[in-house]
Amino acid sequence: DAMVIQNPRYQVTQFGKPVTLSCSQTLNHNVMYWYQQKSSQAPKLLFHYYDKDFNNEADTPDNFQSRRPNTSFCFLDIRSPGLGDAAMYLCATSMGQGYSGNTIYFGEGSWLTVV
Amino acid sequence: TQLLEQSPQFLSIQEGENLTVYCNSSSVFSSLQWYRQEPGEGPVLLVTVVTGGEVKKLKRLTFQFGDARKDSSLHITAAQPGDTGLYLCAGANSGGYQKVTFGIGTKLQVIP
Repeated sequence: DAMVIQNPRYQVTQFGKPVTLSCSQTLNHNVMYWYQQKSSQAPKLLFHYYDKDFNNEADTPDNFQSRRPNTSFCFLDIRSPGLGDAAMYLCATSMGQGYSGNTIYFGEGSWLTVV
Repeated sequence: TQLLEQSPQFLSIQEGENLTVYCNSSSVFSSLQWYRQEPGEGPVLLVTVVTGGEVKKLKRLTFQFGDARKDSSLHITAAQPGDTGLYLCAGANSGGYQKVTFGIGTKLQVIP
């Protein structure tokens, strides 16, 4: 059974039209991450939450925002998508504690197309 | 900034051949993970290695963590078309919670 669930799997949005991607987890993990992955590249971390503490990467554009209303859910908001934001967006979780604390579990990803 | 270099970046081999993928860094990692990612899907965890010199086997896949915990290798024996995918290594720099650094990945194609 999927433990990190992303919706929608495929999203088409118009240039400049806000879009929200959602992620839920059944692992009760402390940490939730959002990564952006473009074709044939490694995932690039946008930001993460440790519990309610939000940590933004220095090079993440202001256009990207996130919300974590509770332990299980996390959202990625793209306020004004540009053509360069077309990518797969990966949600991931980790325990955040102990030797296994860094092991990251990914969802299946949400493909975003901007037209 | 910690960097993980993976080599080769692209590999195309015939079914039945053996291959090794390398993940190298000048930094010490407390743990290292290997993932496999198929097109259109999220990365799937294959293994986590923690101890320097550790060797783990997963069917035809053998993972090794370097003695100094700066590098790792993934060896696949008798590759099959189902092994095709992007192999990513990811390192964490201390125990407990820390940001994980990803390598650029090795894109493997196994030709039937």
